[in-house]
Amino acid sequence: EIVLTQSPATLSVSPGERATLSCRASQSFSSNLAWYQQKPGQAPRLLIYGTSTRATGIPARFSGSGSGTEFTLTISSLQSEDFAVYYCQQYNNWPLTFGPGTKVDIK
Amino acid sequence: EVQLVESGGGLVQPGGSLRLSCAASGFTFSTYGMSWVRQAPGKGLEWVSVISGSGDSTYYADSVRGRFTISRDKSKNTLYLQMNSLRADDTAVYYCAKVMVVAASFDYWGQGTLVTVSS
Repeated sequence: EIVLTQSPATLSVSPGERATLSCRASQSFSSNLAWYQQKPGQAPRLLIYGTSTRATGIPARFSGSGSGTEFTLTISSLQSEDFAVYYCQQYNNWPLTFGPGTKVDIK
Repeated sequence: EVQLVESGGGLVQPGGSLRLSCAASGFTFSTYGMSWVRQAPGKGLEWVSVISGSGDSTYYADSVRGRFTISRDKSKNTLYLQMNSLRADDTAVYYCAKVMVVAASFDYWGQGTLVTVSS
């Protein structure tokens, strides 16, 4: 099973600042990684798949990168609606696994 | 517009059974894999199971294999999760999610249904 570790657990950022979220995998794989955003009381929303492809309707301030065991989600300029929990998910191997999440809150 | 609407959650005693349903609309149901993902209260996301568009292939998390069964009815555009031998640690919001064709990630999610396992 591929175990995903996300850091930091909580990231405090001011609106307009850049946020960089990390997802580390227990074994190497190519690009089969997705990112989701979840707000309280809501279902998750797909942001990125294939490590770097934005899902339909996702603003350009969200970008993904990485390979091997290190993956990154970057939010270039945080907007008020971006404060949420972010999860990475690998689909390279069964079982599909999620990281524990990074909470982005207001500094 | 893609819509996924779960139902069937509720309170059940340990050892009991429950069947969840997910009514799908707004897309060609039989073309896409479908999945269940759960979230225990205050916790992160846990993938549970997936079924192919044809229904021929299924996969399960180790934590539910042998107790849960995923299925689909293309005539009703509905996904199911039969849950048997329920345990307290199965307590969670259960989401159904549509699987993308190009990637085994989830591009649409339902609102979730809460399953509580308690005596």
